Amino acid sequence: AQSVTQLDSHVSVSEGTPVLLRCNYSSSYSPSLFWYVQHPNKGLQLLLKYTSAATLVKGINGFEAEFKKSETSFHLTKPSAHMSDAAEYFCVSTSGGYQKVTFGTGTKLQVIP
Amino acid sequence: NAGVTQTPKFRVLKTGQSMTLLCAQDMNHEYMYWYRQDPGMGLRLIHYSVGEGTTAKGEVPDGYNVSRLKKQNFLLGLESAAPSQTSVYFCASSYRDSLNGGYTFGSGTRLTVV
Repeated sequence: AQSVTQLDSHVSVSEGTPVLLRCNYSSSYSPSLFWYVQHPNKGLQLLLKYTSAATLVKGINGFEAEFKKSETSFHLTKPSAHMSDAAEYFCVSTSGGYQKVTFGTGTKLQVIP
Repeated sequence: NAGVTQTPKFRVLKTGQSMTLLCAQDMNHEYMYWYRQDPGMGLRLIHYSVGEGTTAKGEVPDGYNVSRLKKQNFLLGLESAAPSQTSVYFCASSYRDSLNGGYTFGSGTRLTVV
């Protein structure tokens, strides 16, 4: 069975400080992993993806994530938070075909001025 | 280039009423999906389609029907709406090899059933 666990439902950071959003996965197969961002009243936008190439993946808007197989983790980071980063972030795992897509429950990021 | 367009954006239904949500994509994607998003539950797959004229059930298909008569359109129908179907509905599309490309999402339809 496949699952995705986002360890924090809410994260609050000050503007200019680092961001860490945590995601752990479990899968019987080698998964592809994604991070999506959802701004209020908007659809989900792809931030970055891991598909068994480089384990450190760089995405848009300065975000990056590192795939760690030994820890079954795919945490999302950014060195310096901007106010525009305030949104909800979803970790997504796919393996075994298009229908085997699992979404995490989301992490809401609050950025304090 | 609109990507994925969903209509309507908002709707309020009375219990027992029916409605159809329309999803249109202009990227020539083979695969299309309907998800519902509920607080604390992430996104759950309702139905999906791997090509024109095909549909299949996802994780939570009960109470919904779908049709894909044209490659660019994927319709989601509620025959008899129930309060439990109050949710935000997202349509998504992808190329056949979605594992590498990820999905393109619409901006959502907020449905309230009273």
